[in-house]
Amino acid sequence: QKEVEQNSGPLSVPEGAIASLNCTYSDRGSQSFFWYRQYSGKSPELIMSIYSNGDKEDGRFTAQLNKASQYVSLLIRDSQPSDSATYLCAAKSNDYKLSFGAGTTVTVRA
Amino acid sequence: KAGVTQTPRYLIKTRGQQVTLSCSPISGHRSVSWYQQTPGQGLQFLFEYFSETQRNKGNFPGRFSGRQFSNSRSEMNVSTLELGDSALYLCASSPTPGLSYEQYFGPGTRLTVT
Repeated sequence: QKEVEQNSGPLSVPEGAIASLNCTYSDRGSQSFFWYRQYSGKSPELIMSIYSNGDKEDGRFTAQLNKASQYVSLLIRDSQPSDSATYLCAAKSNDYKLSFGAGTTVTVRA
Repeated sequence: KAGVTQTPRYLIKTRGQQVTLSCSPISGHRSVSWYQQTPGQGLQFLFEYFSETQRNKGNFPGRFSGRQFSNSRSEMNVSTLELGDSALYLCASSPTPGLSYEQYFGPGTRLTVT
């Protein structure tokens, strides 16, 4: 079992819609969780971090964390074509290792 | 602040050779992590350094090694290159680790082994 699993996608949404990305993790000791966006041919860019149960909003992005269910999600509201990218979920373990999911590719249709 | 820089950006080597990649973290960041990214395996953790000490290592053979200098700059070395080592090698830096441990990636070094 991989340490971090993401819904594999690809996910195609129309412009203006909500894109919903999901992620589960296996290490119950993980305390910090991150979402990265990676455009084709580029390196990952940190877009959200979340450490406590509940929701965290930043602009059009909302991250949700449920430690009891070992579940992290990312919502992208009012999706734009510029949001088309691969989104990587990551979890930090107690030994400072960041484990990444395989990523979900999102395409926003104009 | 300037971001994470990596050199070289592109590299072509032949099997059996060795290669050294360099990473300069964001000013003030003391933790540097290295990752290998391939289409088939995704982002895989290689190792992490903090204050010149390797604190964690991923599941890679001993041909992969690294070090960190007193100015937090880091290098990774791959000896006896194999075709399967062709990948994007990413370096990420983080401020003094704590709960947040946000990591910021450099542009990567694209290594092609022929």
